[in-house]
Amino acid sequence: DQQVKQNSPSLSVQEGRISILNCDYTNSMFDYFLWYKKYPAEGPTFLISISSIKDKNEDGRFTVFLNKSAKHLSLHIVPSQPGDSAVYFCAASAGSGGSNYKLTFGKGTLLTVNP
Amino acid sequence: EAGVVQSPRYKIIEKKQPVAFWCNPISGHNTLYWYRQNLGQGPELLIRYENEEAVDDSQLPKDRFSAERLKGVDSTLKIQPAELGDSAVYLCASSAPTGFETQYFGPGTRLLVL
Repeated sequence: DQQVKQNSPSLSVQEGRISILNCDYTNSMFDYFLWYKKYPAEGPTFLISISSIKDKNEDGRFTVFLNKSAKHLSLHIVPSQPGDSAVYFCAASAGSGGSNYKLTFGKGTLLTVNP
Repeated sequence: EAGVVQSPRYKIIEKKQPVAFWCNPISGHNTLYWYRQNLGQGPELLIRYENEEAVDDSQLPKDRFSAERLKGVDSTLKIQPAELGDSAVYLCASSAPTGFETQYFGPGTRLLVL
C-alpha cells in the first residue's frame, strides 16, 4: 500500500520555465512533508519541507504547497535550471510531537530541465 | 563539515554469502538511520538508532539482517546470508537530536547479489 504517491515518473521542462512536481498521500496522520533531490550515485539531499499547520513554504526558487483537504502537495521550481535535473522524492512523516524521524517516501519523479 | 560517510560504495557478492556495510554519521548527530532503496522505489526505513539504542527496527528482516551501533557513533549493517532480492542501494542517514531535524543521507552502498 503506497501511502505517498508520485504519479509522474518523469517530467521534462525548458530552462527558465516553471517545474511543478506533484505528490499525493493517503495517511491522514502525516503532519510533516519534505522534498528531497537525488543526483545519480549520490544520496538524497534535503530540499524543502512544510508542516501541516502551513499551506505554503518558500525558499528561493523552490516553493512547496500543501492542500490538506486534498491530501496533495506540490513543489514549484521557478525558474528551472539545467542543474535542477535530478530525481525528486516526496516524503512524509507522522511523528508524535512533530519528530520527522520515520519518513515514508514516494517513488520519485525524474525532472529533466532542457537548456 | 564532513557529510555521512559510507563504505563500500559498491559490492558484488554471490547469494548465500555474508556482506556488511559501514556508516559514519555527521559529527554530533545522535540519530542514525539505515534505509534500503530498491530500483525505481523510494528509500524504506530498516532501522533507527538513538545513540546506541535501536529504537525502531520493526522493518528490519531479523532472520538475515542485523545492525549495531557500538559507542553510539559508527554503525554496521549486516546481511547473512544474502539473497537475490537483497540487491538494492543501502542508505545511511543521520540527524541531530529530536524534533524537525533534517535527515542527511550518505551516498549509499549499491549491492548486487548474483
